[in-house]
Amino acid sequence: ETGVTQTPRHLVMGMTNKKSLKCEQHLGHNAMYWYKQSAKKPLELMFVYNFKEQTENNSVPSRFSPECPNSSHLFLHLHTLQPEDSALYLCASSQDPPLGYEQYFGPGTRLTVT
Amino acid sequence: AQKITQTQPGMFVQEKEAVTLDCTYDTSDPSYGLFWYKQPSSGEMIFLIYQGSYDQQNATEGRYSLNFQKARKSANLVISASQLGDSAMYFCAMREFSWSSASKIIFGSGTRLSIRP
Repeated sequence: ETGVTQTPRHLVMGMTNKKSLKCEQHLGHNAMYWYKQSAKKPLELMFVYNFKEQTENNSVPSRFSPECPNSSHLFLHLHTLQPEDSALYLCASSQDPPLGYEQYFGPGTRLTVT
Repeated sequence: AQKITQTQPGMFVQEKEAVTLDCTYDTSDPSYGLFWYKQPSSGEMIFLIYQGSYDQQNATEGRYSLNFQKARKSANLVISASQLGDSAMYFCAMREFSWSSASKIIFGSGTRLSIRP
């Protein structure tokens, strides 16, 4: 099983739909992250979870709702999204708080909102 | 506030040549780490190399080396003997030290590297 997996890999949804993105890490890490990557914009950190507790919410609209039931799983629940929410959503995990540990990323979910 | 700047939006390099990707950063924290990631067209972010702010020597990982100049606040990535498979987006990133919570990484805007055969 590869380190960080994400499902689905591609998702097309209407603005009135409700869907969820799933992330799972098999690395024994304690921290998990959601990033949004839009075209021609830097990676934007959305949420950070450490030992299942949310430690960062980077002013993300409430139509994005994260859930972290345990240190290995992270969800991003989506509802009433806007077309500008179309982007690549990347999940990552790391072993924190030591400084040197890099974040390991999943393959991402490419989301298109119609 | 933390900031990462990559001034080269795109670069073209001949196969087998060495290439340097620029990165400058800004932080007031004495303890920080610098990272480089590669993102192929498939989308996955692949960790390449790490440099700690207190490391005395430049980091190296195979064909990758990080030219760390602390006084200039620069952390350029050098790829030796470039290969066609090196064509991708490259992101410089930084994290500051934090005991209290999972420390976040901030990313630069990236450089698109294209290797010509």
